Amino acid sequence: EPEVTQTPSHQVTQMGQEVILRCVPISNHLYFYWYRQILGQKVEFLVSFYNNEISEKSEIFDDQFSVERPDGSNFTLKIRSTKLEDSAMYFCASSEWSDGTDTQYFGPGTRLTVL
Amino acid sequence: AQKVTQAQTEISVVEKEDVTLDCVYETRDTTYYLFWYKQPPSGELVFLIRRNSFDEQNEISGRYSWNFQKSTSSFNFTITASQVVDSAVYFCALSESFYTGANSKLTFGKGITLSVRP
Repeated sequence: EPEVTQTPSHQVTQMGQEVILRCVPISNHLYFYWYRQILGQKVEFLVSFYNNEISEKSEIFDDQFSVERPDGSNFTLKIRSTKLEDSAMYFCASSEWSDGTDTQYFGPGTRLTVL
Repeated sequence: AQKVTQAQTEISVVEKEDVTLDCVYETRDTTYYLFWYKQPPSGELVFLIRRNSFDEQNEISGRYSWNFQKSTSSFNFTITASQVVDSAVYFCALSESFYTGANSKLTFGKGITLSVRP
């Protein structure tokens, strides 16, 4: 069964460093998302992406964040200068617009730890 | 603005008990989707069910069943004869505007931690 994959599974970085989180969405999916979950809290929407453009972004997704689809398979989230409060689990998701449904399938997540 | 409330934070049951996880939502849209996701201790988010706002039929899948009631804006999830493997955090989520063709962000509740003891 096709699945969303994410790398790395765990990333440790120093405050102020740049990190890139990588995702490979399900191959025939056209809509991509990033969410984050601070430890013990709910899952929060960051950004959605379609046709090489950001469709919507949340207040969390400030200028320190960017997304890119550098090739036909990868979808990346970049944090330019990490802060302690960026420590969280980051989930990538993708969906296929087929019959009007929009079920988002999630990857296993990348746990980001900022020291 | 859309909102999902999962008032229960933690539930502990003994194996084989039935358990119901509550979800109440708020939305101004007439067209929306409701979801349940499971997050086992390993951390991934596993899709369980999607229900659209026009379909109020209850659904059963094995030991899982869902009760959608628009009148009370609730979408409750029942696990029958719970098992230890059901121990996880369960999230209810809402998305709007799927018919517009736009990406539909998910708004999650805070999740319910279910512990099933042997």
